[in-house]
Amino acid sequence: DVKVTQSSRYLVKRTGEKVFLECVQDMDHENMFWYRQDPGLGLRLIYFSYDVKMKEKGDIPEGYSVSREKKERFSLILESASTNQTSMYLCASSRPGGNYEQYFGPGTRLTVT
Amino acid sequence: RKEVEQDPGPFNVPEGATVAFNCTYSNSASQSFFWYRQDCRKEPKLLMSVYSSGNEDGRFTAQLNRASQYISLLIRDSKLSDSATYLCVVSGGQNFVFGPGTRLSVLP
Repeated sequence: DVKVTQSSRYLVKRTGEKVFLECVQDMDHENMFWYRQDPGLGLRLIYFSYDVKMKEKGDIPEGYSVSREKKERFSLILESASTNQTSMYLCASSRPGGNYEQYFGPGTRLTVT
Repeated sequence: RKEVEQDPGPFNVPEGATVAFNCTYSNSASQSFFWYRQDCRKEPKLLMSVYSSGNEDGRFTAQLNRASQYISLLIRDSKLSDSATYLCVVSGGQNFVFGPGTRLSVLP
């Protein structure tokens, strides 16, 4: 059974803290993605990676960075958390190209106070 | 204009009803099309891919009209378990663009 796991289901952080969200997939997928999902706005792409050490900005990269040191792991970093980064964060992986199914992790609900 | 737009919903329908969702996309270079389903407080999961000739999977039928840049999803004989948010997804390369989703509630 394919699996994408995320390090936390719920996280509460203070404004200004550095936050790490971890994502691991066991399907040997080349592509990995980080989205945030907000009511009324749907899923918005933050960053994606199509290979180890490769990354591309998505639609809303400001305030975020990513790291992909190993194929199975893709980390999202909030350098200095702000209240407007309170959201549901979803990680996904897929085979290369845009024709293949994306598999999502269960999500991390981040609250920044 | 948003890249992918969907019926705003929510749709509240009785069990057994037929319901149709519409989706339009703005990028004419888009190549791949999908419907995902997202249950409350869960992650999205692929419902079905959408092919140019249209395709069916049980009670679900998806249609694509490239000329009009329009995708549809038809659900026949709705079940209570069909209650979810349905996401239209479009891809033009490595990236996927998600619509905002249409929420469906099937009522007993």
